[in-house]
Amino acid sequence: QKEVEQNSGPLSVPEGAIASLNCTYSDRVSQSFFWYRQYSGKSPELIMSIYSNGDKEDGRFTAQLNKASQYVSLLIRDSQPSDSATYLCAVRHLNTGNQFYFGTGTSLTVIP
Amino acid sequence: DADVTQTPRNRITKTGKRIMLECSQTKGHDRMYWYRQDPGLGLRLIYYSFDVKDINKGEISDGYSVSRQAQAKFSLSLESAIPNQTALYFCATTRTHYEQYFGPGTRLTVT
Repeated sequence: QKEVEQNSGPLSVPEGAIASLNCTYSDRVSQSFFWYRQYSGKSPELIMSIYSNGDKEDGRFTAQLNKASQYVSLLIRDSQPSDSATYLCAVRHLNTGNQFYFGTGTSLTVIP
Repeated sequence: DADVTQTPRNRITKTGKRIMLECSQTKGHDRMYWYRQDPGLGLRLIYYSFDVKDINKGEISDGYSVSRQAQAKFSLSLESAIPNQTALYFCATTRTHYEQYFGPGTRLTVT
């Protein structure tokens, strides 16, 4: 079982809609959770970090964490064509020397 | 100026050649990482270093070596490059317990 699992997509949403990206992780002692955006051929760019259960909002982005269900999600409101990218979920494990584990990413396309 | 830089940005080399990829950071972070990214496989950890004297193997260290020359510099070497090492390589840094920041990447092609 992979440490971090994401639906590879592709996920397509119309401009202005809400895009919902999901991620599950296997290790219950995972400490920190991150969402990165990666444009083709470019490096991952941090969007959000979340450390405790519940929602965290930053502009059009909301991260949601449910540690009991080992589930983290990212909502993008008012999706724009510039949001078209691959979104990577990452988890940091305290019990493996604070290593980061990345999902394979979900490809999002926002249709104008 | 970028906080995390990588050189070269692109490199084409032949099978059997030795190649070094370099990473420098001005963020003052103690921890540095090398990843490779292949289509469909995501980011895989090659080596990581928590300080100059602490270097650890990651998930896919075979065929690679690293050197942490200073807190700000972390180099990745391929002693004898092979075609399946063709990939996008990223360096990343982090402070203890915080998020990672990535360099721009090096696209390596081994022919």
